[in-house]
Amino acid sequence: EAGVAQSPRYKIIEKRQSVAFWCNPISGHATLYWYQQILGQGPKLLIQFQNNGVVDDSQLPKDRFSAERLKGVDSTLKIQPAKLEDSAVYLCASTLLGSHTEAFFGQGTRLTVV
Amino acid sequence: GQNIDQPTEMTATEGAIVQINCTYQTSGFNGLFWYQQHAGEAPTFLSYNVLDGLEEKGRFSSFLSRSKGYSYLLLKELQMKDSASYLCAVRDWVNSGTYKYIFGTGTRLKVLA
Repeated sequence: EAGVAQSPRYKIIEKRQSVAFWCNPISGHATLYWYQQILGQGPKLLIQFQNNGVVDDSQLPKDRFSAERLKGVDSTLKIQPAKLEDSAVYLCASTLLGSHTEAFFGQGTRLTVV
Repeated sequence: GQNIDQPTEMTATEGAIVQINCTYQTSGFNGLFWYQQHAGEAPTFLSYNVLDGLEEKGRFSSFLSRSKGYSYLLLKELQMKDSASYLCAVRDWVNSGTYKYIFGTGTRLKVLA
């Protein structure tokens, strides 16, 4: 079974530029999560999708961050414009709907804003 | 509100036993997870508790007390490769069939020779 796929693995941009990250969850996983992990901290939930609907985006900075999962499969997270404090690893995770199993994580995208 | 606390750093010696504690406060508790995360890598699942008691998995065990909002991860026969961050995560009920996973800040474990 293929795992959660994310791209790119690394990205360096200048502040005020825009950037997009892509995630393809495990096949059949209805729930998809985007987390932001700043160095030395635990993952912080940015947004959660169930199929193509948003379940929770309470911690998403909506003035600059947006995310979509139009067909209920893969997802894109965008930052526009980026700030220095957005430097972090962006992790995508997925689970089966209603599952009692763990969340499966992708390798993450390491973003550096200079 | 939701809050998860765990120590920031711990150090132990190869071959020893270490216990990493986690306390939590959530509104819709539906399970506690421990993940291991090596530097620069994604978190990987270690253990899961939803009922009170001890779950054992080889060198790793995890304990849960729901009434106390407390869990610990026990690592036995420590090896150098166990040097990593250990993340405590609570699964919180959102709505029918949907949960969110809330993570603590992680405990960085250093295993010394």
